[in-house]
Amino acid sequence: AQKVTQAQTEISVVEKEDVTLDCVYETRDTTYYLFWYKQPPSGELVFLIRRNSFDEQNEISGRYSWNFQKSTSSFNFTITASQVVDSAVYFCALSWGSTLGRLYFGRGTQLTVWP
Amino acid sequence: DARVTQTPRHKVTEMGQEVTMRCQPILGHNTVFWYRQTMMQGLELLAYFRNRAPLDDSGMPKDRFSAEMPDATLATLKIQPSEPRDSAVYFCASGLVKGTGGSYNSPLHFGNGTRLTVT
Repeated sequence: AQKVTQAQTEISVVEKEDVTLDCVYETRDTTYYLFWYKQPPSGELVFLIRRNSFDEQNEISGRYSWNFQKSTSSFNFTITASQVVDSAVYFCALSWGSTLGRLYFGRGTQLTVWP
Repeated sequence: DARVTQTPRHKVTEMGQEVTMRCQPILGHNTVFWYRQTMMQGLELLAYFRNRAPLDDSGMPKDRFSAEMPDATLATLKIQPSEPRDSAVYFCASGLVKGTGGSYNSPLHFGNGTRLTVT
């Protein structure tokens, strides 16, 4: 089965703490794409990042960083120095060539950052 | 920034009524998706289109749901008759997918969703 597992249902941290959201995926394809989306309390789904299976370089964007490891089929997301505005549900998603863009989502991780 | 536009944002209706949700994809995107989000099922795909042709609608209850793309700027999702279990947030998303292998030129961009409540 091809799927995405986000084992952490809920995480609570205090502002300025670092937090890592885990994502483990399964796929038979050698060409695939991994995504993270953010869903703040207002409800919209905001695209954060896309990686393809041939690019294992870690990526950093401001306080956000992503660690892609094919050896462990993981695509983890770290927020450094978390802020209250980071409170949201974060979804990891998977797609592969034959799905023509269709995303398979994990169940999401609810992150709450307390002041 | 280009956005996917969904209307209405909220809809409250009584069981048995017809519901129509509309989506304007980002100009130039050739793939349109309808997802439904519920607490129990999470985000599940209902249907999707490429170049306005339906590719897969196996996620939809066929007897009551229908999805169409009358033109490249409009996608619709209809429920008739609606039932309380249809209460959910319905998202439209669009993207640009090239080639038979599905290589991307853009990630999926989602609209703000339609929150449907069927009483």
